[in-house]
Amino acid sequence: ETGVTQTPRHLVMGMTNKKSLKCEQHLGHNAMYWYKQSAKKPLELMFVYSLEERVENNSVPSRFSPECPNSSHLFLHLHTLQPEDSALYLCASSQDWGGNQPQHFGDGTRLSIL
Amino acid sequence: AQSVTQPDIHITVSEGASLELRCNYSYGATPYLFWYVQSPGQGLQLLLKYFSGDTLVQGIKGFEAEFKRSQSSFNLRKPSVHWSDAAEYFCAFLPETSYDKVIFGPGTSLSVIP
Repeated sequence: ETGVTQTPRHLVMGMTNKKSLKCEQHLGHNAMYWYKQSAKKPLELMFVYSLEERVENNSVPSRFSPECPNSSHLFLHLHTLQPEDSALYLCASSQDWGGNQPQHFGDGTRLSIL
Repeated sequence: AQSVTQPDIHITVSEGASLELRCNYSYGATPYLFWYVQSPGQGLQLLLKYFSGDTLVQGIKGFEAEFKRSQSSFNLRKPSVHWSDAAEYFCAFLPETSYDKVIFGPGTSLSVIP
């Protein structure tokens, strides 16, 4: 039990579909993150939210759209994705976005683009 | 440029043998340093972290890591490996004090021979 729950665990979609990934944390944390984990590549930070405000957008394509309606929930909306977007998408949370607080990760959503 | 490297892509050890996983970083000051473990189908779990103070850090599951400023290294060690330690291990560092600048290494895959 990680305290960070991601749904769905697996998702297969076509390039023209629209889908959303969901992350929920039960830890009372104020910061949440989306990461992309591709095969043979280091983990990439995509988005950071602190107190529901976006902190950083690391040059992520606009076909990925995050949403943080409250401090417990984080979504990643997907549309017109490309095959290279197939990856494991990990959500994490921390008490705040300062580095002296540990991050807690969910188990990820395995995304496959057809 | 700021970076973190893990020179070993894959390591195989026998159960009960000692383990050392290497991590080197490139940064002009002392960063925050982390080791994470990822088991198949799961997210990342924090093993230990270094912020300041004692350069030998104890973590969970019997792991420890030593920060060596002169070598820009933060190697992970375990005196006796268990079969359940087979997983992917990631070194990460923060060049500044907030997670929006986090950099992960490429990972080292550990196999354990019974």
